[in-house]
Amino acid sequence: AQTVTQSQPEMSVQEAETVTLSCTYDTSENNYYLFWYKQPPSRQMILVIRQEAYKQQNATENRFSVNFQKAAKSFSLKISDSQLGDTAMYFCAPKYGNKLVFGAGTILRVKS
Amino acid sequence: DGGITQSPKYLFRKEGQNVTLSCEQNLNHDAMYWYRQDPGQGLRLIYYSQIVNDFQKGDIAEGYSVSREKKESFPLTVTSAQKNPTAFYLCASSMSPVNYGYTFGSGTRLTVV
Repeated sequence: AQTVTQSQPEMSVQEAETVTLSCTYDTSENNYYLFWYKQPPSRQMILVIRQEAYKQQNATENRFSVNFQKAAKSFSLKISDSQLGDTAMYFCAPKYGNKLVFGAGTILRVKS
Repeated sequence: DGGITQSPKYLFRKEGQNVTLSCEQNLNHDAMYWYRQDPGQGLRLIYYSQIVNDFQKGDIAEGYSVSREKKESFPLTVTSAQKNPTAFYLCASSMSPVNYGYTFGSGTRLTVV
């Protein structure tokens, strides 16, 4: 079975602070891709960051970075200098076969 | 600009009626997908299509039907057999293989009245 676990249903963070969202997954594939998506209150799904499993270097996009632990099948998202606009639901989505499987999501609230 | 368009944004349906949600993309993507999202929940896969004239059931296909007659279009019909159709529906497309993720439409909110 293709499982994706986001163990934090909801999180809060103060503006300008750092927060980490966790994700674990299960795959038997060796070369694959992983993604984090953001869904703000507008409900538009936005790609945040992409990681190639064969690359040891963690992906970074401005204030967003990942901690990818391939052996542990862990793919956490770190948001630095949190901004009010980061308030959203965040989904972890590894690629299984030729489609993405989405976790249940983590609601992140950034407080001023 | 290339993108993926879902219409309408809001849709109301009477019980017992079929309704079709539109999804069109001009990204030249081979694959297209339909997801259902209930309030505060994740995305559940309804149907997907990797190529024209072919599609596969996802995890919750019962009560839904699709067609893929053109590469650009992947309409979803919510039939009267779907017992609880009120939800937010998202369409997505991707290159194949899916190494660069999905591009999503802006969604259709379906309400049964």
